Amino acid sequence: QKEVEQNSGPLSVPEGAIASLNCTYSDRGSQSFFWYRQYSGKSPELIMFIYSNGDKEDGRFTAQLNKASQYVSLLIRDSQPSDSATYLCAFPGFNFGNEKLTFGTGTRLTIIP
Amino acid sequence: SAVISQKPSRDICQRGTSLTIQCQVDSQVTMMFWYRQQPGQSLTLIATANQGSEATYESGFVIDKFPISRPNLTFSTLTVSNMSPEDSSIYLCSVRYRSTGELFFGEGSRLTVL
Repeated sequence: QKEVEQNSGPLSVPEGAIASLNCTYSDRGSQSFFWYRQYSGKSPELIMFIYSNGDKEDGRFTAQLNKASQYVSLLIRDSQPSDSATYLCAFPGFNFGNEKLTFGTGTRLTIIP
Repeated sequence: SAVISQKPSRDICQRGTSLTIQCQVDSQVTMMFWYRQQPGQSLTLIATANQGSEATYESGFVIDKFPISRPNLTFSTLTVSNMSPEDSSIYLCSVRYRSTGELFFGEGSRLTVL
């Protein structure tokens, strides 16, 4: 079983709609989860991280964590064309001290004007 | 967030040669890592750069191929040795803050091996 699984997409969402990105993980001991956005040709940039079960909101972004079901999701409200990118989830799984992050394969999101 | 500078930003190299990538951070950080991102793929951790000691390599990566130095808390280098076309990739330096757990990336070094 892969440590982190994401739907590779592509996921197409109309402008103004809600984009929903999901990630499942296999390490029940993971305590923190990260969402990165990567534009084509650029390095990943951190947009959200979440430690606790439930929702965490930051502007148009909401991260949702469900540890019992081992999934984390990212909702983007009022999607804009500038949100078109690949979104990567990451968690510090399977390593002592939880120092290293393991990344999912990423979901390519396209916002359609 | 940290300001992480990498150089070169891109290079084209001949098979069999070696290239050293430099990473400079604007503040002292405990954890530094080197990742690789092959075309169309996600991020794969190469190694943890340890200050003043040998790097800790992930499965599938060895010191002879990817020697890493980290002489202090703000600087590290990654060398890609005896390059082949399969080494064509983006190499990313990253730092992680122990207090928040946040991990940030440099701009990356895009390497093409002919």
